[in-house]
Amino acid sequence: AQSVAQPEDQVNVAEGNPLTVKCTYSVSGNPYLFWYVQYPNRGLQFLLKYITGDNLVKGSYGFEAEFNKSQTSFHLKKPSALVSDSALYFCAVRDIWSGTTSGTYKYIFGTGTRLKVLA
Amino acid sequence: DAGVIQSPRHEVTEMGQEVTLRCKPISGHDYLFWYRQTMMRGLELLIYFNNNVPIDDSGMPEDRFSAKMPNASFSTLKIQPSEPRDSAVYFCASSGGAADTQYFGPGTRLTVL
Repeated sequence: AQSVAQPEDQVNVAEGNPLTVKCTYSVSGNPYLFWYVQYPNRGLQFLLKYITGDNLVKGSYGFEAEFNKSQTSFHLKKPSALVSDSALYFCAVRDIWSGTTSGTYKYIFGTGTRLKVLA
Repeated sequence: DAGVIQSPRHEVTEMGQEVTLRCKPISGHDYLFWYRQTMMRGLELLIYFNNNVPIDDSGMPEDRFSAKMPNASFSTLKIQPSEPRDSAVYFCASSGGAADTQYFGPGTRLTVL
C-alpha cells in the first residue's frame, strides 16, 4: 500500500538553528515527492518536489529536501530557521492509482508536522 | 493568474440545510481536487476530476456529498443535508498534469450548527 508518514506531530527549534522535518514513504515504482506549507487560515503552498535527478532538491524560502532511496525518506531541511517559518508542513507522495482509468493518480498527504521556531 | 478561487470563504449554516461550495481552478489546469481538513482527520482527499470527469470519488464520505465540474473553469461541492460533523475547512486544488504541483485555494471554512 502506498503511504507517507510524518513521525513528529511538532518540532520546536530555536531561531537561527538548523531545522529538519521528517518524512518517510512507501510507494511502488519511482516516487514523486512533495513538501507543502500551510500558514494559519491559508491554503497549502508548494515548497519543493522531487521527481528525478539530483537527490538534493532546493525550494522556496531557503528550504531544501534530500531524497534518500535506501531509507525511503524525504526530510525537509533549512540551515537557519526563522520565526516566520512557524507553520504546518505536509509531505506528500504521488500514488499511481490503478483504477478504471489507466494512468490516473492521486496524492497521499502525511498528517502534517507543526514547526514552531522560538525567538 | 489569480490562483485557485474559492467561494464563499466562510459559511455558517444550520443542520439540514443545503451547502454549496464553489471553485475556479487555474486556467489551463486539467486536474481539480477537493479536500477536507479537520483537526481529527487531517487533510482528506474527497474527489478529483481530470478534464472535467470525476476519476476517484472514494473519499466522499456519504451520499449527502456530491461534486460536479460542468466545465473546465468551475466546480461545485454540495452537501445536502448538512450535519454538524461536516464542519471543516474545504480546499480546492488544481494542477496542470499528472506529476505536476497542486495549487490550493484559500479554503472555505464551513460551520454547521
